[in-house]
Amino acid sequence: DQQVKQNSPSLSVQEGRISILNCDYTNSMFDYFLWYKKYPAEGPTFLISISSIKDKNEDGRFTVFLNKSAKHLSLHIVPSQPGDSAVYFCAASYAGGTSYGKLTFGQGTILTVHP
Amino acid sequence: ETGVTQSPTHLIKTRGQQVTLRCSSQSGHNTVSWYQQALGQGPQFIFQYYREEENGRGNFPPRFSGLQFPNYSSELNVNALELDDSALYLCASSRDRGELETQYFGPGTRLLVL
Repeated sequence: DQQVKQNSPSLSVQEGRISILNCDYTNSMFDYFLWYKKYPAEGPTFLISISSIKDKNEDGRFTVFLNKSAKHLSLHIVPSQPGDSAVYFCAASYAGGTSYGKLTFGQGTILTVHP
Repeated sequence: ETGVTQSPTHLIKTRGQQVTLRCSSQSGHNTVSWYQQALGQGPQFIFQYYREEENGRGNFPPRFSGLQFPNYSSELNVNALELDDSALYLCASSRDRGELETQYFGPGTRLLVL
């Protein structure tokens, strides 16, 4: 049962253009969402998050949008840079019982930014 | 540099054997979570420890067990290894259980079961 899905295994973008990574979820209990970036031989590193009470959160070149009714979130990177090339994971959490602090991850999207 | 280290980096075992993976967290990080990342998949939550007690478990059988020590180190033990246990194992630590944004992941241990 894949509760968090990233349906695009890969995305290729030209430097300077916008990268849009998508994520869908099925569990309506999720109330906090995070995006992580992962380079080879390193653990995932936190990028940006959004609470379910918001529909947008921005941090520099990164913006996350949340559409609760569609159970969909997206990460926008603009402008994209070659150093952004990595695997991006979306993850979801909810503060309930033994699930507190547990992250449910999507499968990841490999982003390649070409110079 | 996350301050979270894991050992060993790579490991090869045979089916039926037992394995212990280690994680060293930052000082003051009372929470450690373990994740299994199979090839081409996202990390899957195994369990979480808070102040040396198990504090939540994912859909993993009892042959996956853990320990957390007062010196901010922890272990993941897997008994009776199966081929499907081949994966990257990640630990992540934070000061408290709900601190997701300041939860830091280690680089992982890649386990291959033959």
